[in-house]
Amino acid sequence: AQSVSQHNHHVILSEAASLELGCNYSYGGTVNLFWYVQYPGQHLQLLLKYFSGDPLVKGIKGFEAEFIKSKFSFNLRKPSVQWSDTAEYFCAAQTGANNLFFGTGTRLTVIP
Amino acid sequence: NAGVTQTPKFRILKIGQSMTLQCTQDMNHNYMYWYRQDPGMGLKLIYYSVGAGITDKGEVPNGYNVSRSTTEDFPLRLELAAPSQTSVYFCASRPTGGPIYEQYFGPGTRLTVT
Repeated sequence: AQSVSQHNHHVILSEAASLELGCNYSYGGTVNLFWYVQYPGQHLQLLLKYFSGDPLVKGIKGFEAEFIKSKFSFNLRKPSVQWSDTAEYFCAAQTGANNLFFGTGTRLTVIP
Repeated sequence: NAGVTQTPKFRILKIGQSMTLQCTQDMNHNYMYWYRQDPGMGLKLIYYSVGAGITDKGEVPNGYNVSRSTTEDFPLRLELAAPSQTSVYFCASRPTGGPIYEQYFGPGTRLTVT
């Protein structure tokens, strides 16, 4: 079955620390990958997306993600987090025109 | 534009009660979706609609009903609330021709069934 897994449930970092959130998907065919962010009290927003080409994609607010096909992974990274990055982050995979699967989410808490 | 709005924001139901979660969008989007997010779990699709009068089941439709009489509104109905329906419910929409990943999400409704 198609699924997306995020192994980090809650990550706590100090400001300026580097961030890496794991995302793995299980699907053998062509897949588009996404990261969404939900800031406290706000709507889910698209952070970045990957379709093909350069496996390193850059999104908004200094976030980037790397697609590693051999590992079925699409990890989210940021070199230096800020307090304002405190949010919940969701990885998602699109396996068809109408199939979008979300991961369980990772809560990031950044301590000033 | 207000985008996607949901009411109520919070609700506590007793087992067996019924309620309707409201979702409205003012962007003239044809596609609308209902998701639930259980603690520690990802979003699961409950129902979706591709336009007024057309609805279809998602991954977890049992215990829910929907209707789509207008483009703007996509209410979700719980007829006999059960503790397993305790969750956060998100409504989303997107325009026809727009990619599925660019959905506009509402703020969510937190429902507790006790």
